[in-house]
Amino acid sequence: DTAVSQTPKYLVTQMGNDKSIKCEQNLGHDTMYWYKQDSKKFLKIMFSYNNKELIINETVPNRFSPKSPDKAHLNLHINSLELGDSAVYFCASSQTGRNQPQHFGDGTRLSIL
Amino acid sequence: DQQVKQNSPSLSVQEGRISILNCDYTNSMFDYFLWYKKYPAEGPTFLISISSIKDKNEDGRFTVFLNKSAKHLSLHIVPSQPGDSAVYFCAASRNTGANSKLTFGKGITLSVRP
Repeated sequence: DTAVSQTPKYLVTQMGNDKSIKCEQNLGHDTMYWYKQDSKKFLKIMFSYNNKELIINETVPNRFSPKSPDKAHLNLHINSLELGDSAVYFCASSQTGRNQPQHFGDGTRLSIL
Repeated sequence: DQQVKQNSPSLSVQEGRISILNCDYTNSMFDYFLWYKKYPAEGPTFLISISSIKDKNEDGRFTVFLNKSAKHLSLHIVPSQPGDSAVYFCAASRNTGANSKLTFGKGITLSVRP
């Protein structure tokens, strides 16, 4: 009965490859997010979707493309992976509206060789 | 530009004593603040929040204090328990419409010694 689940948990791949991370939530939330936690441990918002529509798009390289097939899923596709993409990526979800607590998945640790 | 700062990377306290975790922010537009707790290999979990119209919010052993003039907030845990050992993230948001964007600090590692 995991609330926000991400797959895979670990992803090791070579520079230049294309990879996807999947996220699903069963909380009935309308809003989903992708965060990146880099080596300095900061959690930074990348994207946010509300009812499948993009509402937050931070300054992220266009190699990163989120896709929301329905409001329970938000996947992240990354093209032409670079060394600097190595990080932990967290998916989160919340009810629509200000100040709604966000519920996080357990993260996907991406390592680029 | 670090808008939310948690300057102490770690804190160690004895079980039963009070833990005080500090957080400073620079953006005066922030009007809502949250604390998240994170165990290794897990995602952050929401702990407690406070609106800028209040200066204190309490939930069981956890109390958050906000000092707007100093742009400072703190999380008090009393009494501290070994299960409280985790990384604690301070986060802040400002009114940008229907949905809020959280800005996180880099976290404080709390160790509670039995």
